[in-house]
Amino acid sequence: QKEVEQDPGPLSVPEGAIVSLNCTYSNSAFQYFMWYRQYSRKGPELLMYTYSSGNKEDGRFTAQVDKSSKYISLFIRDSQPSDSATYLCAMMAGGTSYGKLTFGQGTILTVHP
Amino acid sequence: NAGVTQTPKFQVLKTGQSMTLQCAQDMNHNSMYWYRQDPGMGLRLIYYSASEGTTDKGEVPNGYNVSRLNKREFSLRLESAAPSQTSVYFCASSEYRGPISGGARDEQFFGPGTRLTVL
Repeated sequence: QKEVEQDPGPLSVPEGAIVSLNCTYSNSAFQYFMWYRQYSRKGPELLMYTYSSGNKEDGRFTAQVDKSSKYISLFIRDSQPSDSATYLCAMMAGGTSYGKLTFGQGTILTVHP
Repeated sequence: NAGVTQTPKFQVLKTGQSMTLQCAQDMNHNSMYWYRQDPGMGLRLIYYSASEGTTDKGEVPNGYNVSRLNKREFSLRLESAAPSQTSVYFCASSEYRGPISGGARDEQFFGPGTRLTVL
C-alpha cells in the first residue's frame, strides 16, 4: 500500500464549478501537508502549505487537513480554465525526515469553458 | 533570478550508457533534491542534499549517484542506464529552515525537468 493515495481522475468540470481534490495517507508521522499544481510539461509549483488540522484559505483555494482521519482536501471555488493542470498532494514528517516529500499520484483536472 | 535550472531538457540514451543531469539554483538555498516522475506514480525522491557537503538517499536511489558540487549545483548521475530509468527528472531546492522554524513554510522550488528515454 502506498503511503499517500490520490485519485488520479481525470476530472473534468465546467467553468465556475467547485472542485474537490482529496488524498489519504497512512503514515501518522506526516505533519506538513502541501498541494502543488503542475501545468503540462512544467515543474510543480506550491499552491498551499498547511501544518495543523483545520482549514486554510487563499483566494479561491481552501486546503483542509483532518489528521485524525488521515485525510486532506483541496477545494477550488469558481474554477477557471486556467486551473486546468495536475494537482499533487505532498506530505512530510518532522525530525530527520524533514524536507523529504512524499507525493500522491496526482489528479488531472480540466476546466472547460 | 532564473530559479532552478536543469540541463539537458531532453535526452535519449541506449541501455548501458552513462550520463549526468545537471541542476543549479540561484536562490542561495541550502537544500537540493532530485525526483523522478512516472505516469501514475507522482514524484518520488531519489536523493537529497540537506546542505552543502551532505547527501542522503531518498525512496528510489538504486542506479543513481549524486554530487553536491557546491551550494548552487547538485548533479545526478546514471552510471549504466536501464529502460526502467526512462522518466522525467526534476530537481528542486529549498531554504530548509527545518522544524525549528516552528512549522513555517519551507517551500521546494522545482526546475522545468529533464525528459530521459532509455532504449
